[in-house]
Amino acid sequence: AQSVAQPEDQVNVAEGNPLTVKCTYSVSGNPYLFWYVQYPNRGLQFLLKYITGDNLVKGSYGFEAEFNKSQTSFHLKKPSALVSDSALYFCAVRDVVTGGFKTIFGAGTRLFVKA
Amino acid sequence: DAMVIQNPRYQVTQFGKPVTLSCSQTLNHNVMYWYQQKSSQAPKLLFHYYDKDFNNEADTPDNFQSRRPNTSFCFLDIRSPGLGDAAMYLCATSYGTEPINEKLFFGSGTQLSVL
Repeated sequence: AQSVAQPEDQVNVAEGNPLTVKCTYSVSGNPYLFWYVQYPNRGLQFLLKYITGDNLVKGSYGFEAEFNKSQTSFHLKKPSALVSDSALYFCAVRDVVTGGFKTIFGAGTRLFVKA
Repeated sequence: DAMVIQNPRYQVTQFGKPVTLSCSQTLNHNVMYWYQQKSSQAPKLLFHYYDKDFNNEADTPDNFQSRRPNTSFCFLDIRSPGLGDAAMYLCATSYGTEPINEKLFFGSGTQLSVL
């Protein structure tokens, strides 16, 4: 079965410092991995995805993610955090078994960026 | 701007009183999804439509139904809401030609309270 795990409920970082939000995955076959962000009382917004190709994927708002096949990880990163990055971040994988229509989300990691 | 719109933003209903949540999209996407999200937990897929083809998740309670009268609109009907159905309900869309690597477009959600 496809699954993703986000080991940290919360990440705290000071503004201007680099941030990392961790995600590991378990899939059968090729992984189709995504990151979404959710601001308070809003729906989710797509940040980036890994399908194939370069292991470093660049996305919206200066975020990037590194795909590591040997460690089955897909960590989200940003070189310099902003207070406005404070939000709930979800790692997700598409379920290939059901033809890709089902997205399985991790439990989420709340990011706090302190000024 | 093309988007996914959910109405109402907040919905209060009484225990056992049927309620309908609505979603519309101007993206002309083939696929529409309904997710349930409780207390900043991971969104959980309830069902999706590919065009008029309805696909129910195996663990979605019978209490939840959906209708898609045309490409633009999709409704979530909760026949007899219980206290445990209080949650944020998220509507999402995707184009559908290559579902496995397509990002989801989310509405802002409807926060349902059950009294």
